[in-house]
Amino acid sequence: AQSVAQPEDQVNVAEGNPLTVKCTYSVSGNPYLFWYVQYPNRGLQFLLKYITGDNLVKGSYGFEAEFNKSQTSFHLKKPSALVSDSALYFCAVRAGSSNTGKLIFGQGTTLQVKP
Amino acid sequence: GAGVSQTPSNKVTEKGKYVELRCDPISGHTALYWYRQSLGQGPEFLIYFQGTGAADDSGLPNDRFFAVRPEGSVSTLKIQRTERGDSAVYLCASSLSRQETQYFGPGTRLLVL
Repeated sequence: AQSVAQPEDQVNVAEGNPLTVKCTYSVSGNPYLFWYVQYPNRGLQFLLKYITGDNLVKGSYGFEAEFNKSQTSFHLKKPSALVSDSALYFCAVRAGSSNTGKLIFGQGTTLQVKP
Repeated sequence: GAGVSQTPSNKVTEKGKYVELRCDPISGHTALYWYRQSLGQGPEFLIYFQGTGAADDSGLPNDRFFAVRPEGSVSTLKIQRTERGDSAVYLCASSLSRQETQYFGPGTRLLVL
């Protein structure tokens, strides 16, 4: 069965410092991996995805994520956090062989960036 | 361009009533998804449409839930005999195809009293 784990309910970081939001996954076959961000009372906004190719994926707003097949991880990173990055972040996975494309989401991690 | 839109943004109903939630996908997107997000949880898949047909409805929790997409564009999620446990945010997403990135609407917040 497919699953996603986000081990941290909340990550706190000071503005200007690097941030990491962790994600591990379990899926049969090749994974398609995604990060979405959710601001209060808003829908999910796409940040980046890994399908194939370079393990380091760059996305919107200066975010990047590194795919690690041996550790089955897809951690979200940013070199310098902004207060405006404070939001709820979701990691999602689907099997590359999926006939439907449905996403399996983690529980979410709240990122709090303090000035 | 216009993103995915959902109406209403909020819906309050009484236990046992019938509700309809509407999703208007991005123009040209053939794949459409419904997810349900309960408080403090990640979204959970409900149903996937490819064109007009429901290609995967494995996530619908029971037969009180039904969805249609008669012309391959707008979709309606229908919930009969609502229960308090149905209270959640219902999210709609669309993509060019099932292989492409899904883009989400703002959601409908359903409260069943």
